[in-house]
Amino acid sequence: EVQLVESGGGLVQPGRSLRLSCVASGFTFDEQGMHWVRQLPGKGLEWVAGITYNGGRREYADSVKGRFTISRDNGKESLYLQMNSLRAEDTALYYCAKDWSNWNFFDSWGQGTRVIVSS
Amino acid sequence: EIVMTQSPLSLPVTPGEPASISCRSSQSLLHSNGFNYLHWYLQKPGQSPQLLIYLGSNRASGVPDRFSGSGSGTDFTLKISRVEAEDVGVYYCMQSRQTPPFTFGPGTIVDI
Repeated sequence: EVQLVESGGGLVQPGRSLRLSCVASGFTFDEQGMHWVRQLPGKGLEWVAGITYNGGRREYADSVKGRFTISRDNGKESLYLQMNSLRAEDTALYYCAKDWSNWNFFDSWGQGTRVIVSS
Repeated sequence: EIVMTQSPLSLPVTPGEPASISCRSSQSLLHSNGFNYLHWYLQKPGQSPQLLIYLGSNRASGVPDRFSGSGSGTDFTLKISRVEAEDVGVYYCMQSRQTPPFTFGPGTIVDI
């Protein structure tokens, strides 16, 4: 059974940094692309960033480009999102999501970790 | 960026009756390989999204056969043949034809 467990969320002041983690199990992690998707409070879904199976391709939403960095450690079966220069509009529930293959669609999601950016 | 729209945004349903949600994209989602890169998700109350339909018409593992997806190009439909109480939640369509970014529709709230 695929499991994705996010952690690292919390309350942070504007302009500060936070690092999210996602530990994966139940599938061959180093063969799948991975993504971060967020859900603003009471709103819909927004793709944030994605990374291919070997980290060779990384893509970002325009809203986070230059501030967020996605990475992975295949040895630790873990996905990360380094979030710098956080803004109030980054407040959201952040989901880790597994790609069906390498860059296709998301077939499994974690339960999410909540980030609140506020002074 | 491909913009996704859905209608209706709110859909009251009756158990045992059919239901249908429409999704439209601002550009064609049909790839030269013949697949439509359109996918459907359901987010049940208090839960994370779950994949229902992928590549336009393929049911994900464990999804009941009362759910079906159809359409091609820019117009797609999710149908529930007979709604059950457990089907309530927010339904999203998402495109992966042209990325980044992956883009979602605004969501359709289905409630009894």
